[in-house]
Amino acid sequence: DGGITQSPKYLFRKEGQNVTLSCEQNLNHDAMYWYRQDPGQGLRLIYYSQIVNDFQKGDIAEGYSVSREKKESFPLTVTSAQKNPTAFYLCASSLTGGGGELFFGEGSRLTVL
Amino acid sequence: RKEVEQDPGPFNVPEGATVAFNCTYSNSASQSFFWYRQDCRKEPKLLMSVYSSGNEDGRFTAQLNRASQYISLLIRDSKLSDSATYLCVVNPNLNAGNNRKLIWGLGTSLAVNP
Repeated sequence: DGGITQSPKYLFRKEGQNVTLSCEQNLNHDAMYWYRQDPGQGLRLIYYSQIVNDFQKGDIAEGYSVSREKKESFPLTVTSAQKNPTAFYLCASSLTGGGGELFFGEGSRLTVL
Repeated sequence: RKEVEQDPGPFNVPEGATVAFNCTYSNSASQSFFWYRQDCRKEPKLLMSVYSSGNEDGRFTAQLNRASQYISLLIRDSKLSDSATYLCVVNPNLNAGNNRKLIWGLGTSLAVNP
């Protein structure tokens, strides 16, 4: 079955620690995205990548980093510089960079204690 | 005015009812529109795109009103399984093929009761 896999589903970390969230897709999609969802706010774009070895900052990239070394993989690192890291993180992909149809992974809930 | 606005609800309706949600957008140049569905603590999934001519998929009908700058979603014969949050998504970019510009509404919560 094709889809997007995010891991871990739940993650607890202490303040000051970097954490890396995994995102893998086998849909052969070119574009991949990382969003953050907080209560009372719409999805906000952190980073996106249209092709391998290229990625661009979204609206709230500060305190985050990504890489796109393989088409299938787009990991997100939440660094200690991110002031409010506790959130629901969603990875998505789309066949191309347009069209509006995004396929999401099940999400990763990060809680920083 | 927010770029994309939705009534958060919740809308509580009995099974079999017809329910409609609206979503207003501020940028009159917006090019493309979508409805996504998100179950509690799950990921969003595309429900349907909204075309200028309207779009119908079974019990679901989506319409666009450019003059008044809103899109609507109508659900007929509501089922218990329709209970979810419905997210309105707008692409304001003149280049309609640019997903990085998507603006997500906060969603409208629907609860269908037996």
